[in-house]
Amino acid sequence: GAVVSQHPSRVICKSGTSVKIECRSLDFQATTMFWYRQFPKQSLMLMATSNEGSKATYEQGVEKDKFLINHASLTLSTLTVTSAHPEDSSFYICSARRDRDTEAFFGQGTRLTVV
Amino acid sequence: AQSVTQLGSHVSVSEGALVLLRCNYSSSVPPYLFWYVQYPNQGLQLLLKYTTGATLVKGINGFEAEFKKSETAFHLTKPSAHMSDAAEYFCAVTTYTGFQKLVFGTGTRLLVSP
Repeated sequence: GAVVSQHPSRVICKSGTSVKIECRSLDFQATTMFWYRQFPKQSLMLMATSNEGSKATYEQGVEKDKFLINHASLTLSTLTVTSAHPEDSSFYICSARRDRDTEAFFGQGTRLTVV
Repeated sequence: AQSVTQLGSHVSVSEGALVLLRCNYSSSVPPYLFWYVQYPNQGLQLLLKYTTGATLVKGINGFEAEFKKSETAFHLTKPSAHMSDAAEYFCAVTTYTGFQKLVFGTGTRLLVSP
């Protein structure tokens, strides 16, 4: 399968600061990337879908001004958690697919802790 | 809206025993169904998927699942567990093509004892 890499795998930040998480498709060009959030002992929840070169589509209830998603190239999407607070602490996972008919591959996730 | 229920947050089996991980879904239209596995500190890996056609789906690592529409079920099975099968397993559903808008269950941790 194709490789999707997230960086960093773990990050601790202070409350009120912003943190950026990168999602890269290493061996294919990803026209679409998906961002998920996973709370402890809960399922993954889709936050947004981003298509290269266009604005992300956010799921209902997800604050687009708080979770900024950029998909500026076919191999990189970033999620920036702005003015992070402890309730934003979670596991964030991205997935990427080449096109509509192909499998979406998942990154290894980023554990964000806001203190 | 779709939803997924995975019964049992933890399932323990002995090596060589049958593995059965349960997944029930809710969907008002024909669903696409998936099973993913997640090893520690790794991303989710697709085990198998059901889209259309044959209801018994075979996946990687000896796993298979059967789509049972009447029971709204998509349980994951493996005849003989191996120590390397110990991981977290997620069932997911969508009504969209292209792996869009996947709705995941809460996951089941499979424990395999020697």
